[in-house]
Amino acid sequence: KAGVTQTPRYLIKTRGQQVTLSCSPISGHRSVSWYQQTPGQGLQFLFEYFSETQRNKGNFPGRFSGRQFSNSRSEMNVSTLELGDSALYLCASCQGDREGQPQHFGDGTRLSIL
Amino acid sequence: SQQGEEDPQALSIQEGENATMNCSYKTSINNLQWYRQNSGRGLVHLILIRSNEREKHSGRLRVTLDTSKKSSSLLITASRAADTASYFCATDPKSSGDKLTFGTGTRLAVRP
Repeated sequence: KAGVTQTPRYLIKTRGQQVTLSCSPISGHRSVSWYQQTPGQGLQFLFEYFSETQRNKGNFPGRFSGRQFSNSRSEMNVSTLELGDSALYLCASCQGDREGQPQHFGDGTRLSIL
Repeated sequence: SQQGEEDPQALSIQEGENATMNCSYKTSINNLQWYRQNSGRGLVHLILIRSNEREKHSGRLRVTLDTSKKSSSLLITASRAADTASYFCATDPKSSGDKLTFGTGTRLAVRP
């Protein structure tokens, strides 16, 4: 089975721009979660989607949004980029239909804001 | 905010030695999971221990859970240079609607 695929791997943007990151989960997985990882804040949960619905949301401003398609692929969008948005954005998938399932992570998108 | 706090923040050992990392958390949990992250890569799931379990083994890994103290430990025996990575605990809270929350991580360096 192919793993979780995130594209692009690297991205450079400037302040004020917007960006869209993509995540393809493992085949059969219906839950996709997004995390932001920075040296200062560690791993912070952004949101989780399950069967095209946002099931959970972290404490991030409305500039961060996401969606999930019928094939479970997910996209994350950040608008009006700020320097502090520079981070590694990780996507993780699991079946999502019961408690206690391990998350399978992609290798992330490294976003740098100039 | 971080649910789990790992201790120590960094650990450097010689190949062949054992490495122990600790995790403390704040709320009641369904389970606790340990993940490894190599530099610049995603996290890899290592082991899951449920709240009604006290100890679990997987290869060279041994995890303990003490729900009364809200703490867990990860022991890696006979460490190898390839074990060099950051290790994170993640708690799955009992509160409905709460999400898997990761700790701050322990950076492990294994010297050949």
